[in-house]
Amino acid sequence: RKEVEQDPGPFNVPEGATVAFNCTYSNSASQSFFWYRQDCRKEPKLLMSVYSSGNEDGRFTAQLNRASQYISLLIRDSKLSDSATYLCVAIIYNQGGKLIFGQGTELSVKP
Amino acid sequence: GAVVSQHPSRVICKSGTSVKIECRSLDFQATTMFWYRQFPKKSLMLMATSNEGSKATYEQGVEKDKFLINHASLTLSTLTVTSAHPEDSSFYICSASRVGTPSGNTIYFGEGSWLTVV
Repeated sequence: RKEVEQDPGPFNVPEGATVAFNCTYSNSASQSFFWYRQDCRKEPKLLMSVYSSGNEDGRFTAQLNRASQYISLLIRDSKLSDSATYLCVAIIYNQGGKLIFGQGTELSVKP
Repeated sequence: GAVVSQHPSRVICKSGTSVKIECRSLDFQATTMFWYRQFPKKSLMLMATSNEGSKATYEQGVEKDKFLINHASLTLSTLTVTSAHPEDSSFYICSASRVGTPSGNTIYFGEGSWLTVV
């Protein structure tokens, strides 16, 4: 079983749609969680952190459920520019900041 | 501007040759850096943890004699792909953790290096 698992993609949605990404993790040593965005042939860029209390940034909402070891990302009113691969990431700080990536979910927003 | 710089961004080499990729933290010291590899349409896979002044820690299945990692200073880690073969063609990317930022620890990525072995 992968340490971080995501929905298989790709997601193809029209502009304005709401999209939900789900992710589960198996390593209980995972301490922090993030969603990264990766554009084609580019390095991953931090999208947002994920907290148990929920974290909202404009059209993006992230949620962490430690009991279920589940992480989510919601994108509302999706834009063409949201097209990218979204990576769920767990960090183990007591191993120096080791990142465990999910396999990523590709999102394609169409006009 | 870039906080972690990776070089070269693209390299094409002949099969059997060796290629060195550098990862530099530009304005902070990184005792630990990480090297990842990504195949097309796949996730980033951790290859090894680079530790300043000591041997790198390799993930299971990664050949340490093929992927040589040297972390000679607090701001530089290098990955050398030795005797490269076409199946080594991939996107290689490094990361470093910066401690003491307002958000705690912040992870920075290099820009990545595209290796094509012909």
